[in-house]
Amino acid sequence: DQQVKQNSPSLSVQEGRISILNCDYTNSMFDYFLWYKKYPAEGPTFLISISSIKDKNEDGRFTVFLNKSAKHLSLHIVPSQPGDSAVYFCAAGGGKLIFGQGTELSVKP
Amino acid sequence: GAGVSQSPRYKVAKRGQDVALRCDPISGHVSLFWYQQALGQGPEFLTYFQNEAQLDKSGLPSDRFFAERPEGSVSTLKIQRTQQEDSAVYLCASLWTGARPDTQYFGPGTRLTVL
Repeated sequence: DQQVKQNSPSLSVQEGRISILNCDYTNSMFDYFLWYKKYPAEGPTFLISISSIKDKNEDGRFTVFLNKSAKHLSLHIVPSQPGDSAVYFCAAGGGKLIFGQGTELSVKP
Repeated sequence: GAGVSQSPRYKVAKRGQDVALRCDPISGHVSLFWYQQALGQGPEFLTYFQNEAQLDKSGLPSDRFFAERPEGSVSTLKIQRTQQEDSAVYLCASLWTGARPDTQYFGPGTRLTVL
């Protein structure tokens, strides 16, 4: 059973607009969440994280929101840039990570 | 080197062959993780080392999979009698103990294709 789910395999956004990537989880014991970005033929690169004691964390153009009651988190990218085109994974855990299936973001000029 | 390196980057094996995948973590990183990423999926945890001790191997899919890190630095993931379902990208990540989880650094992966 998939404990971390990303239900949208792909997302296409116009440059300059907001990208919203979503992630749901099932285990209420998870207390740390991360977003990774992955380009083809490269390993995942850490983007941003959030602890369960917070509901928002911001880093430049990237903001992660956590809704614990809904077991849902989202990554907002504003404004989106073509260089943001990649596969985005959400993950849960504090050492051993449990990943979602990924969402491929395409930002069109 | 500055990052996690893995070799080989690509490996093609005939079904039944044994393979060995190498991971060089970032110098000084105590923790090392192996993940398996099937096509179109997210990485899945295989095993975890702290120094030379393998503390968690709950994700290894079968006894054909074996990992070691004898000197607490370089790690090798060995797959015996490879099967087609072993075809995947194998990712290694290292982490400096005491750091927050977000400092888990991934290597580029080894893409294994079993024919």
